[in-house]
Amino acid sequence: EAGVAQSPRYKIIEKRQSVAFWCNPISGHATLYWYQQILGQGPKLLIQFQNNGVVDDSQLPKDRFSAERLKGVDSTLKIQPAKLEDSAVYLCASSPTSASGRKYEQYFGPGTRLTVT
Amino acid sequence: AQSVTQPDIHITVSEGASLELRCNYSYGATPYLFWYVQSPGQGLQLLLKYFSGDTLVQGIKGFEAEFKRSQSSFNLRKPSVHWSDAAEYFCAVGGSQGNLIFGKGTKLSVKP
Repeated sequence: EAGVAQSPRYKIIEKRQSVAFWCNPISGHATLYWYQQILGQGPKLLIQFQNNGVVDDSQLPKDRFSAERLKGVDSTLKIQPAKLEDSAVYLCASSPTSASGRKYEQYFGPGTRLTVT
Repeated sequence: AQSVTQPDIHITVSEGASLELRCNYSYGATPYLFWYVQSPGQGLQLLLKYFSGDTLVQGIKGFEAEFKRSQSSFNLRKPSVHWSDAAEYFCAVGGSQGNLIFGKGTKLSVKP
């Protein structure tokens, strides 16, 4: 079974530029998460999708961040314009079902390391 | 609100020595608790999880953790550390929507 795929693995941009990250979850996984991991901290949830609907985006800075999940499969996360404090690793995770217990069974991709200069 | 505290930012142990990483959580009900490991440049890998039942949980790579409700703790242990265990370890609690709330992590270094 293929894991969660993310691209690119690394990205360096200047502040005020835009950037997009892509995630392909494990086949059949209904739930998809984007986490932001700033250096020295644990991952923090940005947005959670159930199929192609948003479950929780309360911590997504909506003035600059946007995300979508096309047809309930792949997802893209965009930042426009980027700020220096957006430098972080962006992790995508997927989960097979929202059923009790298994909804926490998350599989993580390798992440995209973003550096904003 | 749920939260996780990992008091130790960095721990160094000798190879072959025992290990205990501390984790304290804040959660009203019975929590779902997890330990993940992250090697440099890698994603997060689940080591073990606690949902209910036996408070001593066995995981992969020889790790175990013990849930202590009275202390709001879920400490990770390993009896004998290997050099390949050097990584960053994250404790997490399950949020109400199925997301995970992570601590800040503990970096483990292993001396030869």
